[in-house]
Amino acid sequence: DAKTTQPPSMDCAEGRAANLPCNHSTISGNEYVYWYRQIHSQGPQYIIHGLKNNETNEMASLIITEDRKSSTLILPHATLRDTAVYYCIVSRYTGFQKLVFGTGTRLLVSP
Amino acid sequence: GAVVSQHPSWVICKSGTSVKIECRSLDFQATTMFWYRQFPKQSLMLMATSNEGSKATYEQGVEKDKFLINHASLTLSTLTVTSAHPEDSSFYICSARDTGRDTEAFFGQGTRLTVV
Repeated sequence: DAKTTQPPSMDCAEGRAANLPCNHSTISGNEYVYWYRQIHSQGPQYIIHGLKNNETNEMASLIITEDRKSSTLILPHATLRDTAVYYCIVSRYTGFQKLVFGTGTRLLVSP
Repeated sequence: GAVVSQHPSWVICKSGTSVKIECRSLDFQATTMFWYRQFPKQSLMLMATSNEGSKATYEQGVEKDKFLINHASLTLSTLTVTSAHPEDSSFYICSARDTGRDTEAFFGQGTRLTVV
């Protein structure tokens, strides 16, 4: 599986957009980009995933560069409850494929 | 969305005893489930892949005789920490994907194990 690189921490003001970057320069053609987040002492929560097109759901937007070597997760209006560790993971889209977690980005949303 | 449930949420046990953690997929079938361990302020570390009806596949460095995994049905996988020691104290998390629909992975709420 391709490796990902994320900044260790980021800060964001409540109500502002949070833009979390991820580098995955070794991604292969059949690998998707997944984003999960983990709020303290809970299991990870799925946010969004994509292959090459930009994706949007009720939680966030995912912007993937044309060469697919990096992506950005956008939380359009961050709230205090969005404070969590955000993980960018690259994996093939199959039920048998394990997800390998990197170190993630610790996002702190402040009032 | 799909739900994965772990039980118990937390457990305290004495050194030398064994502890069983259950992971259930509540509204889908999962041929494959995954077990992770997480120490404080660290990321999730994959321990093993649990396969229904066959032996689990362990990651390098994980002792298969210490962490027994059983995946007897399409909705239940169990992790048994045998002869637990204080260094086994950790946050254990399972995940599963709906192999019938190839969806994203869903995670349980985790089990906090404290060995005293």
